[in-house]
This record gives sequence, structure tokens and C-alpha cells, in this order.
Amino acid sequence: SQQGEEDPQALSIQEGENATMNCSYKTSINNLQWYRQNSGRGLVHLILIRSNEREKHSGRLRVTLDTSKKSSSLLITASRAADTASYFCATARFTGSARQLTFGSGTQLTVLP
Amino acid sequence: DAGVIQSPRHEVTEMGQEVTLRCKPISGHNSLFWYRQTMMRGLELLIYFNNNVPIDDSGMPEDRFSAKMPNASFSTLKIQPSEPRDSAVYFCASSGRTSGASYEQYFGPGTRLTVT
Repeated sequence: SQQGEEDPQALSIQEGENATMNCSYKTSINNLQWYRQNSGRGLVHLILIRSNEREKHSGRLRVTLDTSKKSSSLLITASRAADTASYFCATARFTGSARQLTFGSGTQLTVLP
Repeated sequence: DAGVIQSPRHEVTEMGQEVTLRCKPISGHNSLFWYRQTMMRGLELLIYFNNNVPIDDSGMPEDRFSAKMPNASFSTLKIQPSEPRDSAVYFCASSGRTSGASYEQYFGPGTRLTVT
């Protein structure tokens, strides 16, 4: 099964509300990354949190990581219609020359104007 | 920097034909990844290269798929012969060593492949 699993699969909120997406994973990690994908486009890196960090902020984004529960959350505050996209978590477990990420199945966020 | 460049952006071909997808990674990046995305299976890693060498091709569906990276600035993904179930969006991504060795990936715009 996939390393990262997002929850919920789909989320619909009103503009101005906060959106919270969760990600669970199974093995130890070096870092966890969140990506965004607009319809018909490639994924774009949003924010990264290392395994020794618990919380990180970037603009309206807040990421938390709980390595004991093997879970992370992405909070988007004061959402805008332009935040409508799919959001993916990706776990990094670098061993030897391995540099790949394992992506989850994504959360489809719809922000209604 | 122009970012990761992929070509073609769209490809429509008939079953049995050979398809070649191309990717130019970001200059200076030493890792390159090929992904396939479908509604049913989500985003799947097909193969990735470090310093032009294939490291893990366990995601390549079958022998009809092959990938090469002849130099640091170019890679191809070939499907021969193509089948309707290969229809998907194929992404190329690259990454390089950054401060703290975070290895975030930069994705290209993708190639939408339709096999009829």
C-alpha cells in the first residue's frame, strides 16, 4: 500500500474558512513534503518538514508532524478560491542512493467563493 | 530557469504504435523521475535516475516500457507497442541536493497520452 495516505479524499469549504488535510504513513522518514496540483498541471512543492521538526509555517500554510503517530497535517488558513486544487503529501526515506518520494493519493480541495 | 521541460504536451496515437516522451530536467539537478498519473491508480513512480544511472525501475509496468538518460540534460520514456491502458498523464520531475538534503522535486507540465 502507499506510504502516504491523505484524509479526507475530498474537502469543500467556503472562502475565508480554514482547510485541514491529514496524512498518515507507515515507515520512518527523513522528511515529509506537501505538494499542490492544479487541474491539468504538474505538482508544485509547497512546504517541507523534517523528521526532527514538529511544526512549520509558510505564509498561510501550517504543517505539523507527529512521528510517534506517523502523521502530518496541512492547514491552509483564510482559504481563497484560488486554493482549489489537489494536495498531496509525500514521504522521503533516503537510504543509500535512494532519493525517491512516495506520494499519497491526494485530497481534492474545493474553495467556494 | 525554465523549469522541467516535457514534450510533447499531448500525444494521441493508435494502439501498437511506438510512443516516445521527452524530458529536460532543471540544470544542475542530478536526480530525474518519471511518474504516471491516472484517476484509478493515482500518481505512480515508474523509474528514477541518479547521475544518469537508473536506480529503481520496479515501477515500470512491463517490458513495453523503457527509459534512458544518455546525459544529464535529457531523458526519454518509450512505450513500444502502446496499448489503450497506457493512456495517462506522464510527468517528469527532477531534484538536486539542496541545503539540508531535502530533495524536493520539481515537476514538468506533463504529457497527456491517449492511446486509441
